Amino acid sequence: EIVMTQSPASLSVAPGDGATLACRASQSVSGNVAWYQQKPGHPPRLLIYHASSRASGVPGRFSGSGSRTEFSLTISSLQSEDVAVYYCQQYSDWPRTFGQGTKVEIK
Amino acid sequence: QVQLVQSGAEVKRPGASVKVSCKTSGYTFTSQGIGWVRQVPGRGLEWMGWTNIDIDNRKYAPAFKGRVTMTTDASTRTAYMELRSLTSDDTAVYYCSRGDGIAFDWGQGTPVTVSS
Repeated sequence: EIVMTQSPASLSVAPGDGATLACRASQSVSGNVAWYQQKPGHPPRLLIYHASSRASGVPGRFSGSGSRTEFSLTISSLQSEDVAVYYCQQYSDWPRTFGQGTKVEIK
Repeated sequence: QVQLVQSGAEVKRPGASVKVSCKTSGYTFTSQGIGWVRQVPGRGLEWMGWTNIDIDNRKYAPAFKGRVTMTTDASTRTAYMELRSLTSDDTAVYYCSRGDGIAFDWGQGTPVTVSS
């Protein structure tokens, strides 16, 4: 199965600063990567699909990029409501697999 | 709007089975499949499997094969996930989601506790 590895495990960012989260696939997944945001006590929420397409209602400060094995999620100006765990997921092959998550906190 | 509403919390004994339901609305049920993901307390997301109305078209994660069955009922727009031979390691929140690869929408989650 395809292993998705996220880095860093956690990130502390000052309000208004930018943050970049990385996700690496163990083999090429083309552009078939999604990013999800999960806040405590809530289900995940789709942010990005096809590596760089924003889901409906997602603020413009969230952007995704990458292809094949290297992907990233960027939050351009961190807001307090962005505190959450972020997961990448590949849907290029079965079984679908998630990264272990990156926890984003406010400094 | 799209909604996925899951059944309520469950408490099971080791060795028992649990069946979680996911009732959908707001989209054409037969157009996309339903995936299942679980989250052990304090841990990350674990993909369990996916199914659509074609009973021959189910995919299960190797970790659950032989122990899980995913089904759908188009007449009630409901998906089901049954997990058998439960152990304490299966204590988790179980989520359903709409989509064939991308999980566009999610249910609220069903906590399942396995305890003697």
